[in-house]
Amino acid sequence: TQLLEQSPQFLSIQEGENLTVYCNSSSVFSSLQWYRQEPGEGPVLLVTVVTGGEVKKLKRLTFQFGDARKDSSLHITAAQPGDTGLYLCAGVDTGNQFYFGTGTSLTVIP
Amino acid sequence: DTGVSQNPRHKITKRGQNVTFRCDPISEHNRLYWYRQTLGQGPEFLTYFQNEAQLEKSRLLSDRFSAERPKGSFSTLEIQRTEQGDSAMYLCAVLQEGDDNEQFFGPGTRLTVL
Repeated sequence: TQLLEQSPQFLSIQEGENLTVYCNSSSVFSSLQWYRQEPGEGPVLLVTVVTGGEVKKLKRLTFQFGDARKDSSLHITAAQPGDTGLYLCAGVDTGNQFYFGTGTSLTVIP
Repeated sequence: DTGVSQNPRHKITKRGQNVTFRCDPISEHNRLYWYRQTLGQGPEFLTYFQNEAQLEKSRLLSDRFSAERPKGSFSTLEIQRTEQGDSAMYLCAVLQEGDDNEQFFGPGTRLTVL
């Protein structure tokens, strides 16, 4: 059973457009992570957010952790074809147990 | 270096056969995780090791599944009497503890049960 729901599940956009992916849970986590996964490879960590309300920026990617530390969002500005992949959020509990979201498959069309 | 290798990368087997996968971290890490992932979905936790001790198992890990980490370095995951529902990608990850608590994943073993 997945504790974290991501939306949308699939997203296909044109190069240059902006997008937001949401990660929602009824559980509180000590931190939340976002990963990107490409076909045939394991997920790769993009960012970890720890504090409620925290915002982190990684070039064109902006990550936010909800005030209650139950949800998060990922915003991509001016998407590029290289952003194509499966985006995964993961809640981390105090025992370093990781709970992955349902995933958002992003396709950026040139 | 925090690379993780997994072997084999692909495995096709007939229903009822046993299979074993191996995970080899390049460097030492106390914590090692196994996950199962189906296409387009997020990884589902199976089990994890703290050194050689297996500390937690998911209810997804039926009695047909067994995992070991005998020397606290590499790990194996065995599935006995495979079923078609076992077809999935099996991922191994190690934890680099620190501010980010980053998991480093291997490329996975894709299992297809015919």
